[in-house]
Amino acid sequence: AQKITQTQPGMFVQEKEAVTLDCTYDTSDQSYGLFWYKQPSSGEMIFLIYQGSYDEQNATEGRYSLNFQKARKSANLVISASQLGDSAMYFCAMRDLSGSARQLTFGSGTQLTVLP
Amino acid sequence: DAGITQSPRHKVTETGTPVTLRCHQTENHRYMYWYRQDPGHGLRLIHYSYGVKDTDKGEVSDGYSVSRSKTEDFLLTLESATSSQTSVYFCAIRGLAGGTDTQYFGPGTRLTVL
Repeated sequence: AQKITQTQPGMFVQEKEAVTLDCTYDTSDQSYGLFWYKQPSSGEMIFLIYQGSYDEQNATEGRYSLNFQKARKSANLVISASQLGDSAMYFCAMRDLSGSARQLTFGSGTQLTVLP
Repeated sequence: DAGITQSPRHKVTETGTPVTLRCHQTENHRYMYWYRQDPGHGLRLIHYSYGVKDTDKGEVSDGYSVSRSKTEDFLLTLESATSSQTSVYFCAIRGLAGGTDTQYFGPGTRLTVL
């Protein structure tokens, strides 16, 4: 069974600073994918970034980067130059790539607040 | 925009009544999913579908049933709603985002069972 752990229920960051949101995972699968989603107060789930377990380089997407440390089973999200609009709940998720359904297992989330 | 709509968006019902939530997609995706979101738990998979009339259970399927008679519609039914099923329900489809096989989510349905 797969498990995602997000140990920071809430985080604060000053506008324009960088912030790291932690995510650790547990799986016995060799092939898997790691995702980050953003959920603003309006409630929708927005896909941010993806990292495959066999990808050698850390994924980047604009101001988002994923710090992937396979041996430590961590997949931390780094947001550079935080903006007020980054205030939201952030979820780390994992997908088993070996099955056909490829459902996601989510962590409990981190509420990020960007301070002006 | 993955063309996913959910209806109703909000519903209040009483314990013991049946409730059906609808997920509609416009892009002919094969895989569809129902999740529930509760504080402290993130999103948990209830059921999923991999084609018309093909469905399977997820992590928290007790008390829920699903049906998919058309590619575009995936229905979630609470046969006899209980207060523990008060939650926000998200439908998702599996699709590509810039080459990444990922899931896109609908806007959610907030269900309150009194």
